[in-house]
Amino acid sequence: GAVVSQHPSRVICKSGTSVKIECRSLDFQATTMFWYRQFPKQSLMLMATSNEGSKATYEQGVEKDKFLINHASLTLSTLTVTSAHPEDSSFYICSASSGGNSNQPQHFGDGTRLSIL
Amino acid sequence: GENVEQHPSTLSVQEGDSAVIKCTYSDSASNYFPWYKQELGKGPQLIIDIRSNVGEKKDQRIAVTLNKTAKHFSLHITETQPEDSAVYFCAASLSAYGNKLVFGAGTILRVKS
Repeated sequence: GAVVSQHPSRVICKSGTSVKIECRSLDFQATTMFWYRQFPKQSLMLMATSNEGSKATYEQGVEKDKFLINHASLTLSTLTVTSAHPEDSSFYICSASSGGNSNQPQHFGDGTRLSIL
Repeated sequence: GENVEQHPSTLSVQEGDSAVIKCTYSDSASNYFPWYKQELGKGPQLIIDIRSNVGEKKDQRIAVTLNKTAKHFSLHITETQPEDSAVYFCAASLSAYGNKLVFGAGTILRVKS
């Protein structure tokens, strides 16, 4: 099946640090990538939808200046958590999808566990 | 917007028994319904999906049924094995490609050996 790689898998850093998470589709071109946040024992909450070459669309309540998303190529999207604080600690998961000839439904990366001290 | 409800929240079965997880959705425009399995510390893995023009789909021990009139769909796992233990999420979307998924709350499945 389709492979989505997410890096790093775990980050522990001090409050005030900015953290960048990468999401790559390894074997297909992802026209759309999604970023989710998941708290312990809860479901996935969509943060934003990112289409290659255009600005991300953020869900209600998600601060776009806090969570910067870049989707510069068909295989890479990045999420930067700026000036992270303890309340930003969570499990962040990306997914990638593609329409057109590749027709790939959403496949997920293995997530990034972010811990802010 | 779309709302997806999932039941039960936890399910314990004996190895070899069947497990059924049910979901309902609210938006009649939704026509793509995937199921994901999430193991501890990992991202969700797509295990089966169904589109609205199909009532049932099967892949070995896993099957999904869809009732568009009633707006509900179900996951069926037969001959359960300990490695089936995980959290299962249903979701609904307008299409399989490029549209956001709305997830159910998840079901913790425990298969006892």
